[in-house]
Amino acid sequence: AQSVAQPEDQVKVAEGNPLTVKCTYSVSGNPYLFWYVQYPNRGLQFLLKYITGDNLVKGSYGFEAEFNKSQTSFHLKKPSALVSDSALYFCADYSGGYQKVTFGTGTKLQVIP
Amino acid sequence: SQTIHQWPATLVQPVGSPLSLECTVEGTSNPNLYWYRQAAGRGLQLLFYSVGIGQISSEVPQNLSASRPQDRQFILSSKKLLLSDSGFYLCAEGGEINTGELFFGEGSRLTVL
Repeated sequence: AQSVAQPEDQVKVAEGNPLTVKCTYSVSGNPYLFWYVQYPNRGLQFLLKYITGDNLVKGSYGFEAEFNKSQTSFHLKKPSALVSDSALYFCADYSGGYQKVTFGTGTKLQVIP
Repeated sequence: SQTIHQWPATLVQPVGSPLSLECTVEGTSNPNLYWYRQAAGRGLQLLFYSVGIGQISSEVPQNLSASRPQDRQFILSSKKLLLSDSGFYLCAEGGEINTGELFFGEGSRLTVL
């Protein structure tokens, strides 16, 4: 079975500093991996996805993620954090079929001015 | 592009009362639709999914039911609410076929007192 794990419940970073939100996956075969962001009392918004191709995936709002097969990781990164990036971030994987999107437990990102 | 409408946005209901949350989708046809519940602002639990009119699959046994009376309408219901039904309910539509990318509505927050 496929699954993703987000080891950090919360991440704090100073504005202007680089940020990393961690995600690891366990899967057989080629994973489809995603990052979503959720602002307070809102629905989730798609940020980026990895299906095949380049290991570095660029997404919305200046975010990017690196697929690392040897470390089974798909960490979300941004070179310079903004206060407005403060939100809840979810890693997810898709194992095929109509319903098989599995979300991680979420990481709360707090960017400090 | 698709738009997902959910209403009501917020709802406070007494224990034992009925529930009806509605989700409608614009900008796409024959969508795969999903109901998720998010408790305590964190992890997402898939409740139901539907691949077409009248076709409902339940992921977990619970006090809730779902119906899809029209192609772009997905309804979450309960005959008698429990305290544990409180949460943030999110409707989602599966975008590109077989990629796992989901588009979410803005959510309905249910508080059962």
